[in-house]
Amino acid sequence: EVQLVESGGGLVKPGGSLRLSCAVSGFTFTNAYMSWVRQAPGTGLEWVGRIKSKADGGTTDYAAPVEGRFTISRDDSKNTLYLQMNSLKSEDTALYYCITRSLTGFWYWGQGTLVTVSS
Amino acid sequence: EIVLTQSPGTLSLSPGERATLSCRASQSVSSNYLVWYQEKPGQAPRLLIYDASSRATGIPDRFSGSGSGTDFTLTISRLEPEDFAVYYCHQYGSSPYTFGQGTKLEIK
Repeated sequence: EVQLVESGGGLVKPGGSLRLSCAVSGFTFTNAYMSWVRQAPGTGLEWVGRIKSKADGGTTDYAAPVEGRFTISRDDSKNTLYLQMNSLKSEDTALYYCITRSLTGFWYWGQGTLVTVSS
Repeated sequence: EIVLTQSPGTLSLSPGERATLSCRASQSVSSNYLVWYQEKPGQAPRLLIYDASSRATGIPDRFSGSGSGTDFTLTISRLEPEDFAVYYCHQYGSSPYTFGQGTKLEIK
């Protein structure tokens, strides 16, 4: 069974930092492209960024609102995806999901971890 | 960046009716890499359709997806009470990936 379990959310002050983790099981993490998606309260879904598999270069892409502040990384030995968030703003308050697409086209989501940026 | 515009913003229908939701892309979506999700309060989005027209495992056949290039449609043939929710399209054909703003399907 495929499982994605996010952790690391919490309350942080504006300008602060936080690192989210996504522990993965049930599929070959090494080959997977992984993304982060967020949803601010009462709003729609927003793609945050993606990391390719190391075999495909391990490169990252980000949405414009987080470019330069957020960094996605992966540890294939631990089957874990990370999202390092720096210079946090109130508008970064959201439920953060990690997601991935299987080879058959199905998309898997975690249950999300809540980040609240407030003084 | 590919902008996805969903219409209508809100759709008011009755159970048993047919729902047609549109997702229009500002540029062609590569390989028709477009999915549709259903979202209900307090739950993670549920995958309905992937690659524009393939129904995900366990999704009732009243849900269907169609379209290619820049115009995509999600059709629910006969609405059940549990279908009233918010629906999003999402393209992953080119980076940055993007979501539509959502269509709220509400009971009339």
